[in-house]
Amino acid sequence: DAKTTQPTSMDCAEGRAANLPCNHSTISGNEYVYWYRQIHSQGPQYIIHGLKNNETNEMASLIITEDRKSSTLILPHATLRDTAVYYCIASYTGTASKLTFGTGTRLQVTL
Amino acid sequence: SAVISQKPSRDICQRGTSLTIQCQVDSQVTMMFWYRQQPGQSLTLIATANQGSEATYESGFVIDKFPISRPNLTFSTLTVSNMSPEDSSIYLCSVTSGLETQYFGPGTRLLVL
Repeated sequence: DAKTTQPTSMDCAEGRAANLPCNHSTISGNEYVYWYRQIHSQGPQYIIHGLKNNETNEMASLIITEDRKSSTLILPHATLRDTAVYYCIASYTGTASKLTFGTGTRLQVTL
Repeated sequence: SAVISQKPSRDICQRGTSLTIQCQVDSQVTMMFWYRQQPGQSLTLIATANQGSEATYESGFVIDKFPISRPNLTFSTLTVSNMSPEDSSIYLCSVTSGLETQYFGPGTRLLVL
C-alpha cells in the first residue's frame, strides 16, 4: 500500500467547511483513496473512497488531483460531532484488502 | 453495511491470563480482520481470519499469542494469551463482503494489570 501523509492536527469553526489534505505521491494506478474517521476511540467509521473522479456522499466530498498524488476530504458544514481523528488510506479494493492506518489528522471543531 | 458486534466491550484482566474476544456480524461476509490499537497509537492489523483454515498473521504477531478462529461466515474469535500490561489496547474486528468497503466493529477495550 502507498504511504500517505497528513497534517497532525487541524482546527475548524463550527458551520464552516473543513478541508483535510492528504498526500499519496506513490499511489499506484489501481489503489483507491479511502477516508475513515475515529471518534474518541470508537471503531473507525467509513466516510468515502475514490479512484480518480471526485466523489460525494451524504457525509463528505472527496477531491482527488488529476495526477492522483494528493486528495482533500471536505466536510461542508462541520459540527462539534465531527471532532475526530481522520485517516487517509491508499488501498486496493476487494475482499482481500488490508488497511494500513497512518497517524491521521486530529480535527477539532470549535464553537 | 454490516452490523458488527463485539464481546466483551471492555475488560480488566490479570497478567498471565487469557481473554477471548468475539466478533459477530449480522450477515455473511467474505473477509474478517483483527486490529489492535495501543494507547495513543493508530490501528495495526494483527491477522486475517480465514474461514475453515488458519489465520494469516502480520509481521510481529504469532498464533501462539493471538490464536484466531473463524468457524463460519458470520463469527470470529481472537484470544489474547498469557497477557501482560503491554497487551492493554483496543482490539477491533472488521469485515468486508464482495467488493464492498471494510467496516469496523465497536472495539474491545482491554486493560491488563
